[in-house]
Amino acid sequence: GAVVSQHPSWVICKSGTSVKIECRSLDFQATTMFWYRQFPKQSLMLMATSNEGSKATYEQGVEKDKFLINHASLTLSTLTVTSAHPEDSSFYICSARGDLYYEQYFGPGTRLTVT
Amino acid sequence: AQSVTQLDSQVPVFEEAPVELRCNYSSSVSVYLFWYVQYPNQGLQLLLKYLSGSTLVESINGFEAEFNKSQTSFHLRKPSVHISDTAEYFCAVSARTQGGKLIFGQGTELSVKP
Repeated sequence: GAVVSQHPSWVICKSGTSVKIECRSLDFQATTMFWYRQFPKQSLMLMATSNEGSKATYEQGVEKDKFLINHASLTLSTLTVTSAHPEDSSFYICSARGDLYYEQYFGPGTRLTVT
Repeated sequence: AQSVTQLDSQVPVFEEAPVELRCNYSSSVSVYLFWYVQYPNQGLQLLLKYLSGSTLVESINGFEAEFNKSQTSFHLRKPSVHISDTAEYFCAVSARTQGGKLIFGQGTELSVKP
């Protein structure tokens, strides 16, 4: 149980375009999902906390207009990188919180490359 | 606020040798402590966690970690490593009052050589 999927697993897009990444909890409902960004050989940086039916809470320094997060259902959260630029290239990982609020289940990640 | 420091960015070790990955944390409130493992181009997998109770926690694949409150540490150990243990290991904390938000350390790359 407690499986989280991400789609796509990798994506290449041109500078100036937008990219949507989906995060799904497959066998449980998640009222809260988290979005992380990871640069090569570095740690995970929390970008935002996504709560079903309400606006996401962004961490300091994260542009909310650039990284649009929507959590429309208890099993799906999406991250849209708008007007992507090469510096947005990164590994994006989502996690979903289960019944126990201290436990997070991580997706496999999405590799975004902006050319 | 919480912070996590993993003292070693890289740990090379020979197969069947013991290993310790060090983790220290800072927090003004009670925390939960976690170790996650990440294989190349994959997400994170929970290795073990400390919530309360016994300060020594174990995973199913031979890893263990001990919570030391006085030293604010949560070091990860394994008495005999395998090639398959080669991965990136992250220590993380979650304040009990912050809705499950995880703060990660910088990661330790464990490289097991034959």
